[in-house]
Amino acid sequence: DGGITQSPKYLFRKEGQNVTLSCEQNLNHDAMYWYRQDPGQGLRLIYYSQIVNDFQKGDIAEGYSVSREKKESFPLTVTSAQKNPTAFYLCASSLDRGRGGYTFGSGTRLTVV
Amino acid sequence: QQQVKQSPQSLIVQKGGISIINCAYENTAFDYFPWYQQFPGKGPALLIAIRPDVSEKKEGRFTISFNKSAKQFSLHIMDSQPGDSATYFCAASMGGSEKLVFGKGTKLTVNP
Repeated sequence: DGGITQSPKYLFRKEGQNVTLSCEQNLNHDAMYWYRQDPGQGLRLIYYSQIVNDFQKGDIAEGYSVSREKKESFPLTVTSAQKNPTAFYLCASSLDRGRGGYTFGSGTRLTVV
Repeated sequence: QQQVKQSPQSLIVQKGGISIINCAYENTAFDYFPWYQQFPGKGPALLIAIRPDVSEKKEGRFTISFNKSAKQFSLHIMDSQPGDSATYFCAASMGGSEKLVFGKGTKLTVNP
């Protein structure tokens, strides 16, 4: 079945550590996105990529980095510069122009310990 | 102008009742309006979507009503069921853009 796989489901980070969240899709979608979800805040866009080797900052990119070396993969690194990283992270993908809507992964819950 | 304002923040409905969630936008360039449903611990899933050339779209118990002049759209869930209990997000995007702008979500609870 086609879909988006996010891993791990739960992740714990120590202060000052960088961590990388994985996102893989087998839908042959062109565009991929990373969102952060906090209670009462809705979905806030971190980064997005429309094609391989290209990505754009979203509304809250500070403290995060991404890469898009393959069409299927769009990993997100939460760096030590992100002061409040505890959140639910969602990866999504869409066909060109997003007209078919987004397909979301099941999310990664990141907790700072 | 990029915002989509969603209300209410939470909603409690009895089984069999009608759930209504409203969204408003300012940017008249928006031309695609989807609704997403999210269960706890899961990613959102596309529920239904509408374009501004129609005023209503129905899929089963779910209906989107769209008022272009008022720049508002709403989701109606008829005969609400406990299994509909979830968080609902409205969203919007404009022609040529992949980016969706999301509302802040409505937590719906349907009591048995």
